[in-house]
Amino acid sequence: GAGVSQSPSNKVTEKGKDVELRCDPISGHTALYWYRQSLGQGLEFLIYFQGNSAPDKSGLPSDRFSAERTGGSVSTLTIQRTQQEDSAVYLCASSFSGLATNEQFFGPGTRLTVL
Amino acid sequence: GDSVTQMEGPVTLSEEAFLTINCTYTATGYPSLFWYVQYPGEGLQLLLKATKADDKGSNKGFEATYRKETTSFHLEKGSVQVSDSAVYFCALTSGNTPLVFGKGTRLSVIA
Repeated sequence: GAGVSQSPSNKVTEKGKDVELRCDPISGHTALYWYRQSLGQGLEFLIYFQGNSAPDKSGLPSDRFSAERTGGSVSTLTIQRTQQEDSAVYLCASSFSGLATNEQFFGPGTRLTVL
Repeated sequence: GDSVTQMEGPVTLSEEAFLTINCTYTATGYPSLFWYVQYPGEGLQLLLKATKADDKGSNKGFEATYRKETTSFHLEKGSVQVSDSAVYFCALTSGNTPLVFGKGTRLSVIA
């Protein structure tokens, strides 16, 4: 595709429900990142996939958050038992490789609202 | 760990004014430095980058110079336009690591 795509663009859910957010990276990009953008917290790293290596999960805020990347392409971020503090914009990015010099291309984000 | 500090906003300027948004960083090793911009209703996009000391990144009239001695990467533009109104994020990455972002600076340019 032309860029990183994410779905849904908006998600409203009730506290306690599970949600799944999807990211389609740019074709050929081996590195994929999830970030969260919330008021007062800025942009926070959540999880990072690089090729077939084990993901870097160091940014996940709790064990309610998990992510997988199937076939080295599409990724799904799952939030179980959502809480109101999970409300944020979830951003996905991909890059050609994980090298520091490579630009990360961002998707438009999924705005999650937990009622 | 690595961190980025950028000036608090919001910043409000008149059209054609000079812009500086300060950014300083703390990092181990030799990070690459970036400025990302988020226009209203749009996603994050790379504005410019510098990958080693004394490099100058530039794009759309914006410039930033990688200063290792002062650990800074200040964003400047000589004459801002209304269309530059956006949120600007300074960021860094070291090796195979995710981006570490500053908290963002909102710029409003008034005609």
